[in-house]
Amino acid sequence: EAQVTQNPRYLITVTGKKLTVTCSQNMNHEYMSWYRQDPGLGLRQIYYSMNVEVTDKGDVPEGYKVSRKEKRNFPLILESPSPNQTSLYFCASSAASSGRTEAFFGQGTRLTVV
Amino acid sequence: AQSVAQPEDQVNVAEGNPLTVKCTYSVSGNPYLFWYVQYPNRGLQFLLKYITGDNLVKGSYGFEAEFNKSQTSFHLKKPSALVSDSALYFCAVSPIGYQKVTFGTGTKLQVIP
Repeated sequence: EAQVTQNPRYLITVTGKKLTVTCSQNMNHEYMSWYRQDPGLGLRQIYYSMNVEVTDKGDVPEGYKVSRKEKRNFPLILESPSPNQTSLYFCASSAASSGRTEAFFGQGTRLTVV
Repeated sequence: AQSVAQPEDQVNVAEGNPLTVKCTYSVSGNPYLFWYVQYPNRGLQFLLKYITGDNLVKGSYGFEAEFNKSQTSFHLKKPSALVSDSALYFCAVSPIGYQKVTFGTGTKLQVIP
């Protein structure tokens, strides 16, 4: 089954404790991205990757890091989480970098930073 | 800079009635346009897209959307609403040629039995 898998689904952590949210896709997609969803703000792009070893900032990259060492994986790293990073996070992938293909989304990771 | 506006936070419609969820966009050049649906505790699912060609696009679950270039709109429609259509709907735009997708803030659709 074609899917994007995120882990964990739920995470509660304390301020300053480094964490990683994993994302993996089994569709051989080139393009992957991370979004955060906040009430009233919709989805905002954090980082995206056009292919292996190619990443770039989205609209709200501050406080986040990513890496793309393999085509299928695109982890999101919060090196020193803060309460304003409490949010619902989604990983997505799509077949091409031209913008014409639809995105497949993971189930989401609900992060709470206390 | 590109942007998407979904002017209604919530739309209520009676079951069996037609529904419309509004979306307007701003982008340099010609756009790719998308609608996604999000059910509670789930990720977004693709509904339909406009790439080129016919302005009326048909998608999943009986939904359709009309691309109107002069009004820069891409409203989502369905002739007869179902209770199961109740969900959060997102419009998204991407300029042709590169992958920079911008989402709207979402519209909650409530279909009343």
